[in-house]
Amino acid sequence: QQQVKQSPQSLIVQKGGISIINCAYENTAFDYFPWYQQFPGKGPALLIAIRPDVSEKKEGRFTISFNKSAKQFSLHIMDSQPGDSATYFCAANTGRRALTFGSGTRLQVQP
Amino acid sequence: DAGVTQSPTHLIKTRGQQVTLRCSPKSGHDTVSWYQQALGQGPQFIFQYYEEEERQRGNFPDRFSGHQFPNYSSELNVNALLLGDSALYLCASSLRDRAFVDGYTFGSGTRLTVV
Repeated sequence: QQQVKQSPQSLIVQKGGISIINCAYENTAFDYFPWYQQFPGKGPALLIAIRPDVSEKKEGRFTISFNKSAKQFSLHIMDSQPGDSATYFCAANTGRRALTFGSGTRLQVQP
Repeated sequence: DAGVTQSPTHLIKTRGQQVTLRCSPKSGHDTVSWYQQALGQGPQFIFQYYEEEERQRGNFPDRFSGHQFPNYSSELNVNALLLGDSALYLCASSLRDRAFVDGYTFGSGTRLTVV
């Protein structure tokens, strides 16, 4: 079964701190690893994505780190803000296959 | 430019009934995928439509069926509703050959409650 395991389930970070969310996958055929952000009452929105040919991708305060040999990838949110409080999902797929999502991390950034 | 539009936003049905959910994809997108998101869980893939045909299917029973129309809009039908079908149903659209570049655009979902 294709799975993506995500941790932690919930995370509390102080404003200005670094939020780190981790994911591990099993299917070595996966070649696209996006992160989605979901606010209550809304659908997930694409935040940042990475392909396995690079080990890191940065967009603003958001960075994906990718470790192909360990089959792990993580999202780092630098200078976390209260507006970043949301649920974050990692996902993975290959080619035109559907996305397989992790179980989600509920992030709370305290002022 | 409107994103993905789903209707209705909320729905309450009785066990055993049938329901139809609707989705209009983002302008320019040709592929529609449906996901079920239980409370506190990640979205689970139901099926994907492209060129009016079901192209992929997740681990969902035949009670779940769908359709895509020539204008790329889509419907999700669920028959013989069970209490366990209560969830947020998400529609995601994409451009088939650029999904890995542009990603998927999700709608806000339809919250289905089965009583």
